[in-house]
Amino acid sequence: GAGVSQSPSNKVTEKGKDVELRCDPISGHTALYWYRQSLGQGLEFLIYFQGNSAPDKSGLPSDRFSAERTGGSVSTLTIQRTQQEDSAVYLCASSSEGRKNTEAFFGQGTRLTVV
Amino acid sequence: AQSVAQPEDQVNVAEGNPLTVKCTYSVSGNPYLFWYVQYPNRGLQFLLKYITGDNLVKGSYGFEAEFNKSQTSFHLKKPSALVSDSALYFCAVRVDSGAGSYQLTFGKGTKLSVIP
Repeated sequence: GAGVSQSPSNKVTEKGKDVELRCDPISGHTALYWYRQSLGQGLEFLIYFQGNSAPDKSGLPSDRFSAERTGGSVSTLTIQRTQQEDSAVYLCASSSEGRKNTEAFFGQGTRLTVV
Repeated sequence: AQSVAQPEDQVNVAEGNPLTVKCTYSVSGNPYLFWYVQYPNRGLQFLLKYITGDNLVKGSYGFEAEFNKSQTSFHLKKPSALVSDSALYFCAVRVDSGAGSYQLTFGKGTKLSVIP
């Protein structure tokens, strides 16, 4: 596609439920990132994919968070047993070839609200 | 560990005046530096980047940034601010090392308000 696409754009869920967030990167981009942006905060790194593998999972805040990427394209971020502190905007970004000097392009984000 | 600091939560500037949004970084190795802008309810948009070479980098919408290695800074500048420049600005760094993480580390953001 023309840009990074994320779905849903908004998600309201009850505490304790599982949620899945989807990211469709720019076609041909091998690197994919997930970030979390809480109100008034900067961007918190969650996980990075190069192709289908995730060499850097250091940012996942707990074992309730997991992510996968299949076919080197679409990625899903899953949050199990959601808590209110998980409420945030989840941003996905992709960049070409995974070289460190290439900029990342961001999607519009998924706003997650846990009630 | 790499880190980015944006010391000002908010910058106010009058329309037509020059603006500066400050960024300093801390890395072990050579940095790649980026500026992004976020308009309300939108994702982040890439503005410009420093890779190597000329310390003054020009980017989108008339913005530029100056890389200063001795001061470990990468301040964003624009000669004449527009009201439409009002947004949230993020500085980011990635380390040029032979191996390891491709993590792109962001500052906390600076809210720029341009006053008509």
